[in-house]
Amino acid sequence: QVQLQESGPGLVKPSQTLSLTCTVSGGSISSGSYYWSWIRQPAGKGLEWIGRIYTSGSTNYNPSLKSRVTISVDTSKNQFSLKLSSVTAADTAVYYCARGHYGAPFDYWGQGTLVTVSS
Amino acid sequence: QSALTQPASVSGSPGQSITISCTGTSSDVGSYNLVSWYQQHPGKAPKLMIYEVSKRPSGVSNRFSGSKSGNTASLTISGLQAEDEADYYCCSYAGSSTNYVFGTGTKVTVL
Repeated sequence: QVQLQESGPGLVKPSQTLSLTCTVSGGSISSGSYYWSWIRQPAGKGLEWIGRIYTSGSTNYNPSLKSRVTISVDTSKNQFSLKLSSVTAADTAVYYCARGHYGAPFDYWGQGTLVTVSS
Repeated sequence: QSALTQPASVSGSPGQSITISCTGTSSDVGSYNLVSWYQQHPGKAPKLMIYEVSKRPSGVSNRFSGSKSGNTASLTISGLQAEDEADYYCCSYAGSSTNYVFGTGTKVTVL
């Protein structure tokens, strides 16, 4: 059974870049027709899709975040990563990584990691 | 792209059936049979309950069912149980520019 685990700093200063990594276990990140996504959830609020990457390297981003987001993949480490630049307090949220495939965009999720933007 | 509209809360007694609506537009829910539903308990990650409007992943109870009519998708929980008390979110594919949009979320309370 595939498992995902987010990791990265829990505190980021305003205007800096948020960086998170998702490590996939229980299967190769390159196997099957899957893609790998990031989703976030501010405290007490709803879910927001950030973007996704295929292991080919092809990406899609939420238009509202596109100018600040970069998602990359490292198949040798079975990991994919998120970078969000120029963060503000509005980017404070629990960040989830997830696996998806056609029809089921987020079928396996990581446990989530809280990132707080504060000086 | 605005979030899909869900009722803020829905409640029911044990054993009853409840339905959660998810209203979008002709650009998302109305255009694609790619609506999925997620259950989220407090402090936990969301869990996929329904995909492609009405399909259930392996291991999800058949008390959960999904449907769609026009721009509105629905999740029905039959034989409501205490463990069903959670937040529920719908999600729809919205085309190659927007990709995915989530619903506003619905808190289900078992009375």
